[in-house]
Amino acid sequence: KAGVTQTPRYLIKTRGQQVTLSCSPISGHRSVSWYQQTPGQGLQFLFEYFSETQRNKGNFPGRFSGRQFSNSRSEMNVSTLELGDSALYLCASSWDRYEQYFGPGTRLTVT
Amino acid sequence: KQEVTQIPAALSVPEGENLVLNCSFTDSAIYNLQWFRQDPGKGLTSLLLIQSSQREQTSGRLNASLDKSSGRSTLYIAASQPGDSATYLCAVGLTFGKGITLSVRP
Repeated sequence: KAGVTQTPRYLIKTRGQQVTLSCSPISGHRSVSWYQQTPGQGLQFLFEYFSETQRNKGNFPGRFSGRQFSNSRSEMNVSTLELGDSALYLCASSWDRYEQYFGPGTRLTVT
Repeated sequence: KQEVTQIPAALSVPEGENLVLNCSFTDSAIYNLQWFRQDPGKGLTSLLLIQSSQREQTSGRLNASLDKSSGRSTLYIAASQPGDSATYLCAVGLTFGKGITLSVRP
């Protein structure tokens, strides 16, 4: 069974630009969660989607948004990028509130 | 709001030692608790999942326990090896602790 895949793996953007990250969950998993990881703050929860609906949301500004498609693939978008958005963005999938499986992450650098 | 704490932030032990990593949380109304391992620059690898109704789970040299009433979980690693060196994170539902960076000295 293929694992969670994230694209792209690395990304360099300029302040003010926007970015879209993609996550393909394990086949059969309906829940996708997104996290931001930085050295100072650790892993912080962004949002969770289940069957195309946002089920939970973390404490991030509205510049961070996401969506889930009918095939459970998910995208997250960050608009008006700031230097502080530089981080490793991790996606995890699960069947439903069960064991989370993580992808390798997308390393975003904002210059 | 759930808060998850892992103390200490870093730990160094000699090879062969049995060790316990601690995780505490503030809200006992949980679905599950999961322990992960993360190697530098990599994603997270699931080690053990404990459902809310369970008290412990075992996998090889690893044993995780859960005590909801006291808001605590422990990850026990038997006979530690240098390959166990990594950061260990505890997740209560969708909330993560900051992790414990373990170094096992040969």
